[in-house]
Amino acid sequence: NAGVTQTPKFQVLKTGQSMTLQCAQDMNHNSMYWYRQDPGMGLRLIYYSASEGTTDKGEVPNGYNVSRLNKREFSLRLESAAPSQTSVYFCASSGPGTNTGELFFGEGSRLTVL
Amino acid sequence: GDSVTQMEGPVTLSEEAFLTINCTYTATGYPSLFWYVQYPGEGLQLLLKATKADDKGSNKGFEATYRKETTSFHLEKGSVQVSDSAVYFCASGRGADGLTFGKGTHLIIQP
Repeated sequence: NAGVTQTPKFQVLKTGQSMTLQCAQDMNHNSMYWYRQDPGMGLRLIYYSASEGTTDKGEVPNGYNVSRLNKREFSLRLESAAPSQTSVYFCASSGPGTNTGELFFGEGSRLTVL
Repeated sequence: GDSVTQMEGPVTLSEEAFLTINCTYTATGYPSLFWYVQYPGEGLQLLLKATKADDKGSNKGFEATYRKETTSFHLEKGSVQVSDSAVYFCASGRGADGLTFGKGTHLIIQP
C-alpha cells in the first residue's frame, strides 16, 4: 500500500518563486492536512481539509494556499516563497476506520528557499 | 487552544537503560493522545495511542497511560535498544481538525 505520497521530496527555490507541493492518499480518508516541521518547533498545522470541498486554516497559514482537488489529493501552494518558508513539509490524512484523530503521514518534502 | 509540552532533548541513554519521556497536555474536553516516532529522513509513524482516561497504549515494548487527573501521557520503555534512537512526538487531538504536537524529544541510545 502506498498510503500517503508527497512530491517532490526535495526542492530548492529562490525568494519570490512559486511552487506547489502535491499530496495523494489511497486509503479513502476524508480528512487531509499539511504540517511544517522546523527545528525546536515540532510540527505546526498549516491548513487542513476535513472533507472534500472544505479547507480551513491551521496555526500558521500565512503565505500558503491549498486546494482539495478531490477526495484523494490535497495540494499546498507557495505563491511567493520566502526564506522563512524553508522547512520540511508533511502531508497527512485520517478517516473512517481509524481512531479519532489518528494521522497517517507521508515521507515529507524538504524545501529550501534561498 | 490545545497545547502539548514534552521534555526536549537530546536524551542520551545507554543500551538496556529505562526510558521515560514526559508529556503533558492542555485541552478542552477529552482528546485522544498519541506518541509518534520519526526515524532520520522519514515521516512520522504512530507508535501508540489512547483514546480515554486510564487507557494504556503499548507497542514494541513502549507504554503510555492516559492520566486525566495529571493531564499526562508519559512514554516508558523498560530496556532501550540502539534501534530506538529517533525523535519522539507526543500529540493530542480529536475529530477532523488535526492533532497538536509537542516539540519532539531526540533520543540517542549508545551501545
